[in-house]
Amino acid sequence: DAGVIQSPRHEVTEMGQEVTLRCKPISGHDYLFWYRQTMMRGLELLIYFNNNVPIDDSGMPEDRFSAKMPNASFSTLKIQPSEPRDSAVYFCASSYGQGRNSPLHFGNGTRLTVT
Amino acid sequence: DQQVKQNSPSLSVQEGRISILNCDYTNSMFDYFLWYKKYPAEGPTFLISISSIKDKNEDGRFTVFLNKSAKHLSLHIVPSQPGDSAVYFCAARFRGGGNKLTFGTGTQLKVEL
Repeated sequence: DAGVIQSPRHEVTEMGQEVTLRCKPISGHDYLFWYRQTMMRGLELLIYFNNNVPIDDSGMPEDRFSAKMPNASFSTLKIQPSEPRDSAVYFCASSYGQGRNSPLHFGNGTRLTVT
Repeated sequence: DQQVKQNSPSLSVQEGRISILNCDYTNSMFDYFLWYKKYPAEGPTFLISISSIKDKNEDGRFTVFLNKSAKHLSLHIVPSQPGDSAVYFCAARFRGGGNKLTFGTGTQLKVEL
């Protein structure tokens, strides 16, 4: 299995531009999570889906952020318009079920820089 | 409000010695705790976990200790190896919270030769 695949690996954009991050979860996994990593706050949960349905988006910072999961094999996180404070590493993770034997599998992240 | 805290941003240990990474939490509703390890340019990977009904869990060189009364857990690595150099994240899960994890800010461990 190729694991969780994220693209792009790096994204540099100017303030005000739209940014779209992409994620392909592990086949068969029914949970998908978007996390953001910063030095100050560590790994913050932004939103998670179960069977393609958003369950908890309380971590989404503001209306500029949106996430979709149109099918079981693809999810996007969009920031529009982007701001310098959005600069961080964004991770996607997936898991099967929600028991204690269902660890999260993370992708390698997208490093976003907004200038 | 940081509910899971790792107060040491970095730790340096000599190869062969013990590494002790600490984590504190504030919410007594957490019932399951995990440690993840992260290498540069990679995503975090699951390392070891412990349920709140236990006070110790061991897996090879890695042992996690939980002190519920102090709301404190620690990860012990014995003996430490250069390949253990990574960022270690402590995470916690609410009772009934499924796989929704709350992470700390991480501790960078450097194991020196």
